[in-house]
Amino acid sequence: GQQLNQSPQSMFIQEGEDVSMNCTSSSIFNTWLWYKQDPGEGPVLLIALYKAGELTSNGRLTAQFGITRKDSFLNISASIPSDVGIYFCAGYTGTASKLTFGTGTRLQVTL
Amino acid sequence: DGGITQSPKYLFRKEGQNVTLSCEQNLNHDAMYWYRQDPGQGLRLIYYSQIVNDFQKGDIAEGYSVSREKKESFPLTVTSAQKNPTAFYLCASTATGLSEAFFGQGTRLTVV
Repeated sequence: GQQLNQSPQSMFIQEGEDVSMNCTSSSIFNTWLWYKQDPGEGPVLLIALYKAGELTSNGRLTAQFGITRKDSFLNISASIPSDVGIYFCAGYTGTASKLTFGTGTRLQVTL
Repeated sequence: DGGITQSPKYLFRKEGQNVTLSCEQNLNHDAMYWYRQDPGQGLRLIYYSQIVNDFQKGDIAEGYSVSREKKESFPLTVTSAQKNPTAFYLCASTATGLSEAFFGQGTRLTVV
């Protein structure tokens, strides 16, 4: 099955820095979702995007639905230690009723 | 509070044994899913069900079985045919026609 390409695979940043990650696909999606997974826990939905070009924020998080509908971006501003975890993107076509997940970006924040 | 409950959190299994992982939701969602996550990897779809008494194979269904007798419940059985069952298993659900999946806390299965 297809998995979306996420980059970078991992990031080590200092507290207070901004973070950018992206997700790309060879297929078009109608919805993009971003999840965060803490160690040993299930993923939690952060942001949902429903329209090409859409820019949506949730606190320090901002995500964008790419114009081509084949990519999405997530930015985290002023990172804090609790931002540590794995961030997954997921795409949804509206058919077959299932999500396609990215390979994940592991974020580590140092003080 | 509505949500998805997976049990147990940790599970140990001897080689050659079948084991069943529980997933219950009270969100009134029609669709439910099982994913497998290996260390440092993404989520791979095992099985999914869009409605009671119906389910479909995902990308890695071999060695697994499911049932969907009730809307609230979607148990996953890891059979002895699954050659490498040690992994983190996640259950999720969605409302019909919507993409936002809600996940349980996961079950970590270890074969000893």
